[in-house]
Amino acid sequence: DGGITQSPKYLFRKEGQNVTLSCEQNLNHDAMYWYRQDPGQGLRLIYYSQIVNDFQKGDIAEGYSVSREKKESFPLTVTSAQKNPTAFYLCASSILSGGALETQYFGPGTRLLVL
Amino acid sequence: GQQLNQSPQSMFIQEGEDVSMNCTSSSIFNTWLWYKQDPGEGPVLLIALYKAGELTSNGRLTAQFGITRKDSFLNISASIPSDVGIYFCAGRPRGSGNTGKLIFGQGTTLQVKP
Repeated sequence: DGGITQSPKYLFRKEGQNVTLSCEQNLNHDAMYWYRQDPGQGLRLIYYSQIVNDFQKGDIAEGYSVSREKKESFPLTVTSAQKNPTAFYLCASSILSGGALETQYFGPGTRLLVL
Repeated sequence: GQQLNQSPQSMFIQEGEDVSMNCTSSSIFNTWLWYKQDPGEGPVLLIALYKAGELTSNGRLTAQFGITRKDSFLNISASIPSDVGIYFCAGRPRGSGNTGKLIFGQGTTLQVKP
């Protein structure tokens, strides 16, 4: 089945530790995105990528890093510089059509907790 | 930055009732999307709207792209218990076609009493 997978479902981070969240899609979508969701809040964009080996900062990129070495993969690293990392992280993807980005589809999410 | 005002923030209704929620913006949007999120899951796309005035249905759900391009509403008819969840509007502002950015509303939490 085609879709977006995120792993793990739950992730625990110790103080000062970097952790990496996985996002894989087999939809052949060009663009991929990472969002952060806090309780009672909407989604805030962390990073996005429209093409392999290229990515741009979103609204809250500080303390995060990404890579896009393959079209189907867009891992997110939460670094020790992110002082408040506890949140629900969502990955999304979309096709590119005529220069405009189409509808985004989401993965199941990863909940990150700090020990 | 740009914001979407989504209302109401929460609703508690009786099974069988109709539901209406809306999103407004101070600027023009080229796309309006409505998503539903179940607890602990990712949002699932319900309806996508691409033209001003467009009215689209998906089963018991109906959404419209406002004529002014600054608002959208979502209606759910004859609600059932599985409609429970958080409903998000999202929009792509005019002029942001190549940035990949969607702006999200704060969500409407819907609870349905059987």
